[in-house]
Amino acid sequence: QVQLVQSGAEVKKPGASVKVSCKASGYTFTSYYIHWVRQAPGQELEWMGWINPNSGATHFAQRFHGRVTMTRDTSLTTVYMELSRLTSDDTALYYCARDKGGVATSALVYWGQGTLVTVSS
Amino acid sequence: AIQLTQSPSSLSASVGDRITLTCRASQGINSALAWYQQKPGQAPKLLIYDASSMESGVPSRFSGSRSGTDFTLTISSLQPEDLAIYYCQQFNTYPFTFGPGSKVDIK
Repeated sequence: QVQLVQSGAEVKKPGASVKVSCKASGYTFTSYYIHWVRQAPGQELEWMGWINPNSGATHFAQRFHGRVTMTRDTSLTTVYMELSRLTSDDTALYYCARDKGGVATSALVYWGQGTLVTVSS
Repeated sequence: AIQLTQSPSSLSASVGDRITLTCRASQGINSALAWYQQKPGQAPKLLIYDASSMESGVPSRFSGSRSGTDFTLTISSLQPEDLAIYYCQQFNTYPFTFGPGSKVDIK
């Protein structure tokens, strides 16, 4: 069965960076885009961007440009999301989610369990 | 960015009630809309994609429809396990924005 397993919770100081991993299993890793979505405490969901695990190509929401990096290691079937210059506004639960597939993204079908990133001095 | 407005923001209904949740897009998004259910402490779960296609394994009491830039999620007979927040997300234009959610409580 498809599984996305994320790394554990992180506590970071303002100005630092955080790198969250998402290990995929149960399907052909290079065949589906992985997206990152975050959710601040008690808030709505926010889409951050995607990575194509086959080519490594990425696309980010404009508000994260220059601060977010998404990479992958095909040998480990793992994708990574790194967010830099953290502020308290980045405190959130970060999810990876797999694309449904097809010609264009139509939905996020499988989700990781979420990684809580807390930014505090 | 395309804005999605959901209504109502919250509602309380009885088991067996038919409820309808609405998601309105600020501009045309064709049928590129998905609905998710998020229960407390859990990741979102996909219910509907392409506005009206039901994801495999989702109970048949859930259905989606579209009229122009208005999208609806209907639960034909509310069940206790349907207590959750329901989000819409558009995939027509970057960034792939979410709506603010509709919270469903059981009376």
